[in-house]
Amino acid sequence: EDQVTQSPEALRLQEGESSSLNCSYTVSGLRGLFWYRQDPGKGPEFLFTLYSAGEEKEKERLKATLTKKESFLHITAPKPEDSATYLCAVQAYNRGSTLGRLYFGRGTQLTVWP
Amino acid sequence: SQTIHQWPATLVQPVGSPLSLECTVEGTSNPNLYWYRQAAGRGLQLLFYSVGIGQISSEVPQNLSASRPQDRQFILSSKKLLLSDSGFYLCAWSRGGSGGYTFGSGTRLTVV
Repeated sequence: EDQVTQSPEALRLQEGESSSLNCSYTVSGLRGLFWYRQDPGKGPEFLFTLYSAGEEKEKERLKATLTKKESFLHITAPKPEDSATYLCAVQAYNRGSTLGRLYFGRGTQLTVWP
Repeated sequence: SQTIHQWPATLVQPVGSPLSLECTVEGTSNPNLYWYRQAAGRGLQLLFYSVGIGQISSEVPQNLSASRPQDRQFILSSKKLLLSDSGFYLCAWSRGGSGGYTFGSGTRLTVV
């Protein structure tokens, strides 16, 4: 069964203290891995899509990387406004289906304090 | 550009009352549509998905139902709400079998 596990569940960082969030997955034929940011009381907001091992994407202080078994979301010199829950999701190849279902992890709640 | 609208933003309903949450997508045709529920510490739970008008698939047995009366409209309903139906409900859409989802802003439902 396809599975996505995120760690840690919660992370507290001081402003400027860089760190990484982990997303490990088991899926038969990865079509894509997605990172989302979710602020309290709001819907998840798309950040990145990664398709193949070795791929990297960057956006401001965030950098996502992908291997064959896991993805990392690196946060460099975070600021308080980076505080949010970060969700990881994987999409598998599904022959004959137009669904493209995403399997989500439970997220990492990041708090950055000044 | 594509946009997704979900309403209401918050809702407080008594136990046993009916429910209707609506989601509409603009700027695209024949989207895949999804209803999720998010409970604290439990992640996103897929409730229903639809790949076309009138086509609804249910992921978990529950007190809820979904309908897709128009191509870009997705409705989540209940005839009689339970306390356990409280949660944060999210609508999302995607295009075809690849690519990510775009989420609505969510509805916070409290059943009292």
